[in-house]
Amino acid sequence: DTAVSQTPKYLVTQMGNDKSIKCEQNLGHDTMYWYKQDSKKFLKIMFSYNNKELIINETVPNRFSPKSPDKAHLNLHINSLELGDSAVYFCASSLAGWQEQFFGPGTRLTVL
Amino acid sequence: AQSVTQPDIHITVSEGASLELRCNYSYGATPYLFWYVQSPGQGLQLLLKYFSGDTLVQGIKGFEAEFKRSQSSFNLRKPSVHWSDAAEYFCAVGPFTGGGNKLTFGTGTQLKVEL
Repeated sequence: DTAVSQTPKYLVTQMGNDKSIKCEQNLGHDTMYWYKQDSKKFLKIMFSYNNKELIINETVPNRFSPKSPDKAHLNLHINSLELGDSAVYFCASSLAGWQEQFFGPGTRLTVL
Repeated sequence: AQSVTQPDIHITVSEGASLELRCNYSYGATPYLFWYVQSPGQGLQLLLKYFSGDTLVQGIKGFEAEFKRSQSSFNLRKPSVHWSDAAEYFCAVGPFTGGGNKLTFGTGTQLKVEL
């Protein structure tokens, strides 16, 4: 009965590789998000989708491409990984844009 | 632009003592305010939220927070801390007109509990 789930939990890869992180929510929410948490625990939004439509893109490098096949899923694909991409990536969802967000467990990405 | 300040990076309290974590925000209208907790290696869990109405809000795990418009603050309190409360606490504000529905988070306060 997991609300917001992410796979994988850990991802270790080499610079230059391409990787994807998947997110699914079973809460029936319309809005989903990707956040990046850096090594100092600072959380910053990357993207937000509402009913499969991109509504927020926070000047993230275009190596990052979100995809929402339906409103329950929001995936994040990263091309040409760089050392600075190492972080914990959190998926979240909310019923409406102004309501509280529910977070997934996070994906720890390490780029070597 | 909206912003959130959590002045205390680390706080250490003894188990059973009271706790207050500070949060100040900058926002042009009535904000929506949230407190989240993150245990090590875990995601964020919502403790409580303020949208409107009573300025003292109750949350889970015995936490409460008070919205003070005059001070632009939304401090989190707990009368008696338990060792399991040791975690990172984040205050957040949002959304705001013209910026979609994103939350802006503070930098977090790490709480340590001495037994």
